[in-house]
Amino acid sequence: EVQLVESGGGLVKPGGSLRLSCAASGFAFSAYTMNWVRQAPGKGLEWVSSISSSSTYIYYVDSVKGRFTISRDNAKNSLYLQMNSLRAEDTAVYYCARVIYCSGGSCYDGSDSWGQGTLVTVSS
Amino acid sequence: SYELTQPPSVSVSPGQTASITCSGDKLGDKYACWYQQKPGQSPVVVIYQDNKRPSGIPERFSGSNSANTATLTISGTQPMDEADYYCQAWDGSAAVFGGGTKLTVL
Repeated sequence: EVQLVESGGGLVKPGGSLRLSCAASGFAFSAYTMNWVRQAPGKGLEWVSSISSSSTYIYYVDSVKGRFTISRDNAKNSLYLQMNSLRAEDTAVYYCARVIYCSGGSCYDGSDSWGQGTLVTVSS
Repeated sequence: SYELTQPPSVSVSPGQTASITCSGDKLGDKYACWYQQKPGQSPVVVIYQDNKRPSGIPERFSGSNSANTATLTISGTQPMDEADYYCQAWDGSAAVFGGGTKLTVL
């Protein structure tokens, strides 16, 4: 059974940092591109970042470029999101998700497995 | 930046057919997928690659994508289908989500 379990969320002050983790199991983690997707309270889904299977291709939404860093450790079946210079507008539930199909740095399909999410609250 | 537009809400009577649209420039040239999200739960993909159903998703869910519009159709809608639905596609290296549609079954 495919499982994705996020951790690392919490309350942080504006300008602070957090590192989110996503532990994967039940599938060949090293073969898949992974996404971070967030959802602000009462709002819709927003893609945050993607990392290809071997970390060759990394992409971010403009609003987090220069502040967030996605990474993975295939030996540990783990995905990470380092979040620095956090702002109130980064408050959201953060999900990790497995992308169904990518090739050569481009993805073409949705995500078939999602974690339960971890809540990040940025507030003074 | 690329945008996907969904109606904020759709209402349907039990047993009837619900259609939720997702509009974007030349969306038909991309793969569209659809997620169902119930309150307090993570999204679940119900349609991928325009019209494919993952295992475990009921046959009443179907999808199409042509020109500028992708459509999620739920035939014989059941009360358990009441949820938020999101479309998603890739625009180059970025995943794009629609704003979501709240499906009410009443």
